Amino acid sequence: AQSVTQPDIHITVSEGASLELRCNYSYGATPYLFWYVQSPGQGLQLLLKYFSGDTLVQGIKGFEAEFKRSQSSFNLRKPSVHWSDAAEYFCAVGARYQKVTFGTGTKLQVIP
Amino acid sequence: DTAVSQTPKYLVTQMGNDKSIKCEQNLGHDTMYWYKQDSKKFLKIMFSYNNKELIINETVPNRFSPKSPDKAHLNLHINSLELGDSAVYFCASSQGGDYHTDTQYFGPGTRLTVL
Repeated sequence: AQSVTQPDIHITVSEGASLELRCNYSYGATPYLFWYVQSPGQGLQLLLKYFSGDTLVQGIKGFEAEFKRSQSSFNLRKPSVHWSDAAEYFCAVGARYQKVTFGTGTKLQVIP
Repeated sequence: DTAVSQTPKYLVTQMGNDKSIKCEQNLGHDTMYWYKQDSKKFLKIMFSYNNKELIINETVPNRFSPKSPDKAHLNLHINSLELGDSAVYFCASSQGGDYHTDTQYFGPGTRLTVL
């Protein structure tokens, strides 16, 4: 069975600074990988997903993520963070015939 | 307009009671889901319905019974509530029936507290 780890529970960045949220997964074959964002009081919203092909995936809201098989990672990046990006971010891993497993989230705080 | 809505947003109840959470989506999607997010933020799928038919049923106590009167609604009924049922329950929907690849749209969640 697959698993996913988000090592950082909480991250604080200054508005305008770059952001990288870490996600490591464990799965024997090529996984399906997802990043979701959850704003306070809201449900999860899909930012981007990777199934195959180009390992650099562009998502909504200016986010991107890179699949690195050698490091079993799928880190989420944004070059310049906006105050509205403050939220909780969840990485998830799935595969054909396997249920999707979610990480426990990274809470992002943005300071002026 | 809210795409996936859930009611109630908060639910506080005593152990042993029976309660329901309602979910509606106005996206015209074929598939709906229920997830449970526990206090440690682990999010796990519970059920999935495609065109009113159950297609995913994870290891969930049979006190939990989903009901889909039509493809726009998927309600969750919980009998004999226990302390461990306290969690946030999310409803979601997707256009197709492929749980692994289809983009899912989530509702805002229902925070259930069992006293």
